Amino acid sequence: EPEVTQTPSHQVTQMGQEVILRCVPISNHLYFYWYRQILGQKVEFLVSFYNNEISEKSEIFDDQFSVERPDGSNFTLKIRSTKLEDSAMYFCASTQGEHTEAFFGQGTRLTVV
Amino acid sequence: AQSVTQPDIHITVSEGASLELRCNYSYGATPYLFWYVQSPGQGLQLLLKYFSGDTLVQGIKGFEAEFKRSQSSFNLRKPSVHWSDAAEYFCAVGAAEYGNKLVFGAGTILRVKS
Repeated sequence: EPEVTQTPSHQVTQMGQEVILRCVPISNHLYFYWYRQILGQKVEFLVSFYNNEISEKSEIFDDQFSVERPDGSNFTLKIRSTKLEDSAMYFCASTQGEHTEAFFGQGTRLTVV
Repeated sequence: AQSVTQPDIHITVSEGASLELRCNYSYGATPYLFWYVQSPGQGLQLLLKYFSGDTLVQGIKGFEAEFKRSQSSFNLRKPSVHWSDAAEYFCAVGAAEYGNKLVFGAGTILRVKS
């Protein structure tokens, strides 16, 4: 069964460093998303991406965040200068169409120290 | 603003007993509704979904959910719980009018006792 894959599963980084979280969405999906879940809190929407551009972003997704689809398979989330409060589980998701179910990856646990 | 409420943070049931997890939403639009399950260290797995049509939907692992528009609810049920159902369950809501993003509830942790 096709699945969304994320790497790495866990990343530890020092405050102020840049991190790139990687995702490979399901191959025939057209819409891509990043969500995050701070420990003990809700899963929150960060950004959606379609046709090589951001279609929607939340208040959380400030100038420190960026997304890219550098090739036909990868979808990345970059945090330019990490803060302690960026520590969270980051989930990538993809959907085939505009209003269809989202398939999520296993998540990347980011720990900023 | 859109919101999703799962009023029960933890629920404990005995193996073989029935289960109902509650989900209420507040949306100014016709919602799409989902239940996801997350086992420790795992990602979010889709259990079932509702877009339109029959308000009682069947999902994987013997779960079902019923959309009740009048109550703004989408409660998840299972007639007989298995120990492997122990996990965290998330209700999520989307709507065409609000783009493609999902709004999640806070989750309900299910413990199963033998």
